[in-house]
Amino acid sequence: QKEVEQNSGPLSVPEGAIASLNCTYSDRGSQSFFWYRQYSGKSPELIMSIYSNGDKEDGRFTAQLNKASQYVSLLIRDSQPSDSATYLCAVKSNSGYALNFGKGTSLLVTP
Amino acid sequence: DTAVSQTPKYLVTQMGNDKSIKCEQNLGHDTMYWYKQDSKKFLKIMFSYNNKELIINETVPNRFSPKSPDKAHLNLHINSLELGDSAVYFCASSRLTTDTQYFGPGTRLTVL
Repeated sequence: QKEVEQNSGPLSVPEGAIASLNCTYSDRGSQSFFWYRQYSGKSPELIMSIYSNGDKEDGRFTAQLNKASQYVSLLIRDSQPSDSATYLCAVKSNSGYALNFGKGTSLLVTP
Repeated sequence: DTAVSQTPKYLVTQMGNDKSIKCEQNLGHDTMYWYKQDSKKFLKIMFSYNNKELIINETVPNRFSPKSPDKAHLNLHINSLELGDSAVYFCASSRLTTDTQYFGPGTRLTVL
């Protein structure tokens, strides 16, 4: 069973703070890692993808990957109320085509 | 110029009925997917087609049958609907050689 684990939250942070979202996965053959954002009643929207160990930055978002620890995280700097959503971690192995999703972490950014 | 579109957006029906959901993508992708998101928001793969051929068929009841008339379309037909089929169904697409999947707006199915 290929599992992707996330803390369901809610994670509450004040506006302007850094939000840290974490994800662990069980399949050591996983090669591709994604963070999707999903607003209530909407479809998942890709924020970041990461394939190599280390950090990848895109604007206010930084994805961090540690394959040895089977851990991927998403940092959101200068959090805004509009960042309030559910963040889904998704993992894909080399042997598969589909994404395995975690159950998501609900983030609430308070003004 | 919607990238991945689904119809209908909402579907309310009685138990035992048969219904279909349609999906189209205009991204030129060769791989399409159906995901189910249940009431607990867990998103799980159901099927995947690459160039009209089935490549993923997860453990779903055989009441669910995907059909891909061409690589831009992947429809989902559901027979003998049950209460437990109530969920949001998302279509997605990608290039097989890359991993990024783009999702449609979803179809909220309610079985009464």
